[in-house]
Amino acid sequence: GQQLNQSPQSMFIQEGEDVSMNCTSSSIFNTWLWYKQDPGEGPVLLIALYKAGELTSNGRLTAQFGITRKDSFLNISASIPSDVGIYFCAGGDSGAGSYQLTFGKGTKLSVIP
Amino acid sequence: DGGITQSPKYLFRKEGQNVTLSCEQNLNHDAMYWYRQDPGQGLRLIYYSQIVNDFQKGDIAEGYSVSREKKESFPLTVTSAQKNPTAFYLCASSTQGRNEQFFGPGTRLTVL
Repeated sequence: GQQLNQSPQSMFIQEGEDVSMNCTSSSIFNTWLWYKQDPGEGPVLLIALYKAGELTSNGRLTAQFGITRKDSFLNISASIPSDVGIYFCAGGDSGAGSYQLTFGKGTKLSVIP
Repeated sequence: DGGITQSPKYLFRKEGQNVTLSCEQNLNHDAMYWYRQDPGQGLRLIYYSQIVNDFQKGDIAEGYSVSREKKESFPLTVTSAQKNPTAFYLCASSTQGRNEQFFGPGTRLTVL
């Protein structure tokens, strides 16, 4: 099946620093989603992207849908302690009526106060 | 207050026993999904259902079963045939025709 490569696998940053993470795929998607998961909880949807080249912000978070439709990027500006968690990308392909998502393995973010 | 609920939060079972995990949503979503999450892994799809009384196997359906008798409910049974059932199980739902899925809080199953 389709696979997403998400990087980095983990990162440690100082509070106030900016963060970048990305996902790449061998296949084209027509939707890219970014989720955040706190320990022991379900993922929460942060940003949804629908068009190649689209740049969308949600507070300090900015995500982009790559032009090739095979990648996406998430940036977090001025990190704070509550940004700690695991960030997942997910690609969606609604072709042929299927709305399944393919998930990356996650980027674990640690913020040092 | 709309959302997805999963119960219980923690579940312990003896090896060889079947166990059923509950998932309920009041978002009026047509589609529902079950995922398994293991440490350091992404989410792997077990089963999904796009309409009542219909469901399809995902990537790792062996050892699991589901039913969809009501739009709001999509219970997952982990059978004794599942070789390694200890994991975190997540239920999700989505509106027909949309990729965005919304997740419940999860159930952590430990088989002793």
